[in-house]
Amino acid sequence: DAGVTQSPTHLIKTRGQHVTLRCSPISGHKSVSWYQQVLGQGPQFIFQYYEKEERGRGNFPDRFSARQFPNYSSELNVNALLLGDSALYLCASSPTSGITDTQYFGPGTRLTVL
Amino acid sequence: SQQGEEDPQALSIQEGENATMNCSYKTSINNLQWYRQNSGRGLVHLILIRSNEREKHSGRLRVTLDTSKKSSSLLITASRAADTASYFCATPLIQGAQKLVFGQGTRLTINP
Repeated sequence: DAGVTQSPTHLIKTRGQHVTLRCSPISGHKSVSWYQQVLGQGPQFIFQYYEKEERGRGNFPDRFSARQFPNYSSELNVNALLLGDSALYLCASSPTSGITDTQYFGPGTRLTVL
Repeated sequence: SQQGEEDPQALSIQEGENATMNCSYKTSINNLQWYRQNSGRGLVHLILIRSNEREKHSGRLRVTLDTSKKSSSLLITASRAADTASYFCATPLIQGAQKLVFGQGTRLTINP
């Protein structure tokens, strides 16, 4: 079975632009979570969606938004990009709704903001 | 302050030696998880230990959990070059906004 997939792999944007990152969960997984990992740090929780509903939100500004589609894939949108948004964005899926259960991570999207 | 913090931040050992990493956390948990990350890629789940368990094994991995001290350790025995990676503990915040909180990680280097 395929694991969690993310696209694109790398992305370069300039300040003020908007970006959309995509994630496809493992087949049968209905929960998708997004994390931001700045270089040298651990991942920080941004959002969790389960059955197309937002179940959790981390301490991120409203410039960050996400949604989940009927096929359980998900998009993370970031508006008005700042230099500090440069990071590895990780998507994780889980078969359960519990955000504290085992998460299965994708390879990530490396976003660079110039 | 971090919910989970790993110690040491970096560890370098010779191949074949054992590697021990520690994690401390602050609030009550229902489980604690360890993940591995190779060179800026996605995280791989290694092991989950529940709050009513004291020790768990998976291959060359041994995890202990001491809820009275709010700490956990990950032991990798007979290390291999392929074990070179960053290791993170993840602890759930179950009060208020639930989320999985990762520490800053331990960067492990296995020297041949």
